[in-house]
Amino acid sequence: SQQGEEDPQALSIQEGENATMNCSYKTSINNLQWYRQNSGRGLVHLILIRSNEREKHSGRLRVTLDTSKKSSSLLITASRAADTASYFCATDFGNNRLAFGKGNQVVVIP
Amino acid sequence: DVKVTQSSRYLVKRTGEKVFLECVQDMDHENMFWYRQDPGLGLRLIYFSYDVKMKEKGDIPEGYSVSREKKERFSLILESASTNQTSMYLCASSLGGAFNPFGRSAEAFFGQGTRLTVV
Repeated sequence: SQQGEEDPQALSIQEGENATMNCSYKTSINNLQWYRQNSGRGLVHLILIRSNEREKHSGRLRVTLDTSKKSSSLLITASRAADTASYFCATDFGNNRLAFGKGNQVVVIP
Repeated sequence: DVKVTQSSRYLVKRTGEKVFLECVQDMDHENMFWYRQDPGLGLRLIYFSYDVKMKEKGDIPEGYSVSREKKERFSLILESASTNQTSMYLCASSLGGAFNPFGRSAEAFFGQGTRLTVV
């Protein structure tokens, strides 16, 4: 199956710092999405970027998409302790399903 | 707001039992999904449905079946539970079809998850 793959797998930062995660995929996509999962809970949608978009912002989140490199990055600026979670990228290949990566654990130290 | 509700947060079943995991969504979404999540493996798609009575196998359908008799409800069935099916199960729904401006699928809304332990 085609899946996004996040990098790095785990990240530990101080509160106030920026956190950057990357995601790579293998085939053409309709859109790419980022989700957050707090421990033991379901996933929550953060942001969607379409294949014809290069950058998108939502609050403290910034997502970029480079379709030539088949990669995306998620930047969380001015991180807070509440940002501690796992972050997943998901790719939509247009076949009615989302393929998720393995996740990226972020710990923000107060 | 979209709400996706899974019938149980925690479930303990015995090997060989038939297990039903229920999922209900309240936003008239066409697409519904069942994933399992295991440490180090991320989310893997078991089955999904894009319409009532329609279903397609995902990446790991073996040992599972699904039922979608009504649009709002998508059930995952473990025909004969085994210990290797101990996992977190996540249900999700999304808008599909002609009304979706992003194409056939868009953002997914997840339930809170069911942590199933098979002993």
